[in-house]
Amino acid sequence: EVQLVESGGVLVQPGRSMKLSCAASGFTFSSFPMAWVRQAPTKGLEWVATISTSGGSTYYRDSVKGRFTISRDNAKSTLYLQMDSLRSEDTATYYCTTVYYGYNWGYFDYWGQGVMVTVSS
Amino acid sequence: DIVLTQSPALAVSLGQRATISCRASESVRSSMHWYQQKSGQQPKLLIYGASNLASGVPARFSGSGSGTDFTFTIDPVEADDIATYYCQQSRNDPYTFGAGTKLELK
Repeated sequence: EVQLVESGGVLVQPGRSMKLSCAASGFTFSSFPMAWVRQAPTKGLEWVATISTSGGSTYYRDSVKGRFTISRDNAKSTLYLQMDSLRSEDTATYYCTTVYYGYNWGYFDYWGQGVMVTVSS
Repeated sequence: DIVLTQSPALAVSLGQRATISCRASESVRSSMHWYQQKSGQQPKLLIYGASNLASGVPARFSGSGSGTDFTFTIDPVEADDIATYYCQQSRNDPYTFGAGTKLELK
């Protein structure tokens, strides 16, 4: 059974940093691209970042470029999101997801339970 | 960015058909996917590639469309289907989601 378990969420002040982790199990982690998708309170879903299987390629939405860094440790089956210079608009539940690419499609097929990040003074 | 437009809410009766639409601001061909999110839970993939049922998803869920207009259908609606449904496109980067349609009971 695929399991994705996020951790690291907490209350943080604007301008500070935070690192999220996602422990994966039940599948061959190194074979799947991974992503972070977030959801602000009472709002919709928003893609944040994607990383390739090897970690050699990363992609970010414009609003987090230069502030967030996605990375992975395939030996530990763990995905990370380093978030620097946090802003109030980064307040959201962050979901770790697997990404499936095929036939010109890209979708998020497995999701973790999410971790809440609150940016407030 | 491609904008996906969904109606905010839809009220249906149990046992009836629910049809949710998603309109893209430009063609996404068949690169449209649908997710279900129940209150307090993570999203779950239901449909990929506009009309393909994800593994383990009941056959009362279906999807259709191509280009800019897509439809997601539940027939018949069961009590467990009460949730918010999101469409997502993967034709262009960045991948974008619709704002979601909340399915409610009449």
